[in-house]
Amino acid sequence: EAQVTQNPRYLITVTGKKLTVTCSQNMNHEYMSWYRQDPGLGLRQIYYSMNVEVTDKGDVPEGYKVSRKEKRNFPLILESPSPNQTSLYFCASSTRESSYNEQFFGPGTRLTVL
Amino acid sequence: QKEVEQDPGPLSVPEGAIVSLNCTYSNSAFQYFMWYRQYSRKGPELLMYTYSSGNKEDGRFTAQVDKSSKYISLFIRDSQPSDSATYLCAMSLSNFGNEKLTFGTGTRLTIIP
Repeated sequence: EAQVTQNPRYLITVTGKKLTVTCSQNMNHEYMSWYRQDPGLGLRQIYYSMNVEVTDKGDVPEGYKVSRKEKRNFPLILESPSPNQTSLYFCASSTRESSYNEQFFGPGTRLTVL
Repeated sequence: QKEVEQDPGPLSVPEGAIVSLNCTYSNSAFQYFMWYRQYSRKGPELLMYTYSSGNKEDGRFTAQVDKSSKYISLFIRDSQPSDSATYLCAMSLSNFGNEKLTFGTGTRLTIIP
């Protein structure tokens, strides 16, 4: 089954404790992105990657890091989480082979930073 | 002012009613317009995709784009309880796979049996 997977699905942590949210896709997509979804603000792009070893900032990159060492994986790293990073996070992938830029989203990771 | 405005609702309608969901936008360069549906505890999934102005129909769903008014709509006919979800409009400048999508905040819809 073609899908984007994220782990963990739920995470409660404390301020300053480094964490990583993993994302993996099995569709051989070139492009991957991370979004956060907040009430009243909608989905905002954090970082995106055009291919292996190619990443760039989205609209709200502060406090986040990413890496793309393999085509299928795109982990999101919070080196020193703060309460304002409490949010619902989505990983997404897409491909240049599509005639339109459909984003395939993972199931989401709900993060709470205390 | 946000680049894309969408009424967050919530919107509750009885089963069988026609539902109208709308977004307005400020960037006249947007060419591609999408509607994503997001069920509770799930990621968004693409529902409708439209290029430029005009209508597009897919079963009970119709997407309309009026670029002159910077206004897009999604109509759901014969609404069903399974249509209960949050609907997100999205738009982009091009159809390249890496093109950034700008999303509305989403409208939460409940269809009452």
